[in-house]
Amino acid sequence: QKEVEQDPGPLSVPEGAIVSLNCTYSNSAFQYFMWYRQYSRKGPELLMYTYSSGNKEDGRFTAQVDKSSKYISLFIRDSQPSDSATYLCATQYNFNKFYFGSGTKLNVKP
Amino acid sequence: NAGVTQTPKFRILKIGQSMTLQCTQDMNHNYMYWYRQDPGMGLKLIYYSVGAGITDKGEVPNGYNVSRSTTEDFPLRLELAAPSQTSVYFCASSSSREVGGGTQYFGPGTRLLVL
Repeated sequence: QKEVEQDPGPLSVPEGAIVSLNCTYSNSAFQYFMWYRQYSRKGPELLMYTYSSGNKEDGRFTAQVDKSSKYISLFIRDSQPSDSATYLCATQYNFNKFYFGSGTKLNVKP
Repeated sequence: NAGVTQTPKFRILKIGQSMTLQCTQDMNHNYMYWYRQDPGMGLKLIYYSVGAGITDKGEVPNGYNVSRSTTEDFPLRLELAAPSQTSVYFCASSSSREVGGGTQYFGPGTRLLVL
């Protein structure tokens, strides 16, 4: 079983839609959870970083962690064409234990 | 502040050739990492370093070597290139002063094609 599972998509939505991106993870010991955005032919850039369960909001982005079901979500409100990218979820067990999902490709149509 | 820089951006290698992928960070981070990203497979950790002179293997170290003589530089060496090493390679760094090892900052990547 992979440490982190993520639906590869692609996901296509109209501009202004609410986007929901999801991942599941296998190890209940994971405590740190991240979402990265990766534009085509670029390196991943950190969007959200959360510790343990709960919600974290940053502008149009909300990260949600449900440790009871081992579920990680990223919500994007009022999606924009500039949000079109691949979104990677990740968990961190220690400074040298990072596990990444395979990424979900999002396309926001104008 | 350039962040994490990588060279070259793209390289074609013949089977059996060797090369070094360069990585430099100017954020004074003590943790540095090398990942490879294959299509649909996510990022896999190759090697990491917790400081100058200290390196260790990650999830997929076979066929690679690293060294860390300074805080800023963390080169990745491919000794005998194989087609299975065709991938995009990302270098990243983070600060140990942040909780849990900190968030990782990634370089722009090196695309490697082995023919």
